[in-house]
Amino acid sequence: GESVGLHLPTLSVQEGDNSIINCAYSNSASDYFIWYKQESGKGPQFIIDIRSNMDKRQGQRVTVLLNKTVKHLSLQIAATQPGDSAVYFCAELTSGTYKYIFGTGTRLKVLA
Amino acid sequence: EAGVAQSPRYKIIEKRQSVAFWCNPISGHATLYWYQQILGQGPKLLIQFQNNGVVDDSQLPKDRFSAERLKGVDSTLKIQPAKLEDSAVYLCASSLGTGVRVNTIYFGEGSWLTVV
Repeated sequence: GESVGLHLPTLSVQEGDNSIINCAYSNSASDYFIWYKQESGKGPQFIIDIRSNMDKRQGQRVTVLLNKTVKHLSLQIAATQPGDSAVYFCAELTSGTYKYIFGTGTRLKVLA
Repeated sequence: EAGVAQSPRYKIIEKRQSVAFWCNPISGHATLYWYQQILGQGPKLLIQFQNNGVVDDSQLPKDRFSAERLKGVDSTLKIQPAKLEDSAVYLCASSLGTGVRVNTIYFGEGSWLTVV
């Protein structure tokens, strides 16, 4: 049960600092990417998405960066707050397949 | 707009018993997914429907798992008989589907199953 969750990569950040969560995706043909936030006891919640014709997209306090050369995706959270504590998943999609591939997730802990 | 609805939220059963989960997707979403999420892992696709047809059920353990979406709207996922390793969260998700180049999928809150 809980011991499996402890094996998730964990990022601990001080409240107010910026957080960077990384994801290596698997398929070079993937052309759409989403970051999800999953709080304890809840389903994954959509945060931000990006298409492969972009390398950066900004939302409210969040920025997603895409590097197709090295198949790398990152999520930056500005001024991290306690409510940002959750597990973050990246997901990749090859358009037309409707099949998402999810990463294993990173646990973000915000320290007061 | 109402999100993806799932029930029950929590279920505890003994091994070899059966259980059924229900899902109502976002209105107008043609594609419905069932995912299994073991604690600490990312969601794993079990089955994907496009309207009332199955698009992908390659990772569904068909000897014990079944799912249907008879009228192309809500869906039921059944497990019979359950095993201890089926303890997980069963997430239903939906997306617009047909004719859309990219499909943002939206998840429900999940049905948490414990098999003892």
